Amino acid sequence: DAGVTQSPTHLIKTRGQQVTLRCSPKSGHDTVSWYQQALGQGPQFIFQYYEEEERQRGNFPDRFSGHQFPNYSSELNVNALLLGDSALYLCASSGTGPETQYFGPGTRLLVL
Amino acid sequence: GENVEQHPSTLSVQEGDSAVIKCTYSDSASNYFPWYKQELGKGPQLIIDIRSNVGEKKDQRIAVTLNKTAKHFSLHITETQPEDSAVYFCAARPTGGSYIPTFGRGTSLIVHP
Repeated sequence: DAGVTQSPTHLIKTRGQQVTLRCSPKSGHDTVSWYQQALGQGPQFIFQYYEEEERQRGNFPDRFSGHQFPNYSSELNVNALLLGDSALYLCASSGTGPETQYFGPGTRLLVL
Repeated sequence: GENVEQHPSTLSVQEGDSAVIKCTYSDSASNYFPWYKQELGKGPQLIIDIRSNVGEKKDQRIAVTLNKTAKHFSLHITETQPEDSAVYFCAARPTGGSYIPTFGRGTSLIVHP
């Protein structure tokens, strides 16, 4: 049984560019959450998708947007990249309701 | 919102010693407390969790304790091994809403052979 998968593993962009990160949830999971983890920090919640809709959002600007597809996979889009967007972006999946979240390996984004 | 404090930020022990990491939380509505281990270059992996109706839970060399009155919980690792070296995160999750956990800032555990 495959766990949570993310692509790409690493990405280098320049300021002002746009980026799309992808996530496939663990089999049987229908809820996907995205987190940003800066160096030396804990994961910070960006938003959560369920039934193809954004269900809850953390304290992140509108430059961060997402999408969930009918097969429960998800994308995270970041527009107008800033140097401060450099971080590890983590996807976590869970079942419906108060289920434990399982994390993917993350995508390391570097903005130059 | 929830605020989770985690201490220490760095913990260095000798192989075979015990390690204890402590967390406090602010929201009395939180009722689920997972612990994650993150190795270099990898995503956080769940190692143990505890719910608010339980005071202690153990899994081999790892145990977690919860004091709801004081709003703190701790991770205990006994007989540490070099492969236990990693960053450990605690988290607290509320009872309602979309069940989003709030994470501590992490503890870097270094086990010296």
